[in-house]
Amino acid sequence: DIQMTQSPSSVSASVGDRVTITCRASQGISSWLAWYQQKPGKAPKLLIYAASSLQSGVPSRFSGSGSGTDFTLTISSLQPEDFATYYCQQANSFPPAFGGGTKVEIK
Amino acid sequence: QLQLQESGPGLVKPSETLSLTCTVSGGSISSSSYYWGWIRQPPGKGLEWIGSIYYSGSTYYNPSLKSRVTISVDTSKNQFSLKLSSVTAADTAVYYCARFRLELLVFDPWGQGTLVTVSS
Repeated sequence: DIQMTQSPSSVSASVGDRVTITCRASQGISSWLAWYQQKPGKAPKLLIYAASSLQSGVPSRFSGSGSGTDFTLTISSLQPEDFATYYCQQANSFPPAFGGGTKVEIK
Repeated sequence: QLQLQESGPGLVKPSETLSLTCTVSGGSISSSSYYWGWIRQPPGKGLEWIGSIYYSGSTYYNPSLKSRVTISVDTSKNQFSLKLSSVTAADTAVYYCARFRLELLVFDPWGQGTLVTVSS
């Protein structure tokens, strides 16, 4: 099975900051990676699929990049509503697996 | 728009079977484009895929849970269900149902989730 590792596990940032989260797969997954946002007490929400494709309705300040084993999620200018936990998920093969999450906190 | 809602007991005794149902509204569970899945999240922890099902009954299960999991579908009620047998405290989690896009292997949208606690 493919394992997903995210870093950092948490990051403190201010409104307007640029935030980058990294996800690494234990083996190559081409561009088959998704990113989700989860706010406390809520279900995850799909942000990005196929590494860099923005889900409909997701603000353009979110972007994804990478291929193979290394991927990044970037928030270009952090907004108050972006404070949440972010998860990557490999979408290359069964079983789909999630990273451990990165919590974006207010500095 | 498409909505999913989990339902079932919030408390299950150890060694018993956890049973949950997901009701889909705003769209048909018989759509040829999608599978339907279950994901869980222990309190304060990350996400774990449990399994997914097509309206025809075709299933994929997480190998780590396969021996204890059964997912079924009822197209007449636009529902799919999860059964997890021989539960322990480690199965305490928020259980989510979600639509599963097989061609992309992504989950969207998700139900709100339901907390199931395993305790005597």
